[in-house]
Amino acid sequence: KAGVTQTPRYLIKTRGQQVTLSCSPISGHRSVSWYQQTPGQGLQFLFEYFSETQRNKGNFPGRFSGRQFSNSRSEMNVSTLELGDSALYLCASSLGTLAGGRRSPDTQYFGPGTRLTVL
Amino acid sequence: QQQVKQSPQSLIVQKGGIPIINCAYENTAFDYFPWYQQFPGKGPALLIAIRPDVSEKKEGRFTISFNKSAKQFSLHIMDSQPGDSATYFCAARANNAGNMLTFGGGTRLMVKP
Repeated sequence: KAGVTQTPRYLIKTRGQQVTLSCSPISGHRSVSWYQQTPGQGLQFLFEYFSETQRNKGNFPGRFSGRQFSNSRSEMNVSTLELGDSALYLCASSLGTLAGGRRSPDTQYFGPGTRLTVL
Repeated sequence: QQQVKQSPQSLIVQKGGIPIINCAYENTAFDYFPWYQQFPGKGPALLIAIRPDVSEKKEGRFTISFNKSAKQFSLHIMDSQPGDSATYFCAARANNAGNMLTFGGGTRLMVKP
């Protein structure tokens, strides 16, 4: 089974531009989460989508947005890029299923990430 | 606010040694504690995870010890190998937060041959 794929792998943008990153989850997975990884702040949760609906959102400004399509593929968008947005953006997929009325921990499988550099 | 504190930031051990990485949390709603391993240029990969109703879990050479009253948990790597050299992250998930993981700051481990 193919793993989580993210495109593009590397991206260079300038301040003020916007960018769209793409994530294809593992086949059958319905939950996609996005994380930002930087040397200073570590791994931080951006948002989670499940069945095309945003289920959770981290503490990031509104410039960061996302969506999920009916095939579970997800995109995240960052508008008006700032230098501080330079980071590795990671996507993680999981089944997102419920079990007996109590959520069982879903194993999240991470993709290789998109390295965004803002100049 | 960092809700999961991880230490040390870096660790060097000799092959065969037992590196120990510690994490502490504050949020009592956390009910799932995974550990991830990340190699350069790769995304994090799940190593082992534990729920607070057990005090220890072992998978291969990796062991998690969990102290619910102290709100601390740790990863032990038995018989460490140079191939274990990577960055390790502890994480926690709250029971009302979907799949949102809160990560510790990471520990860069180097295992010398």
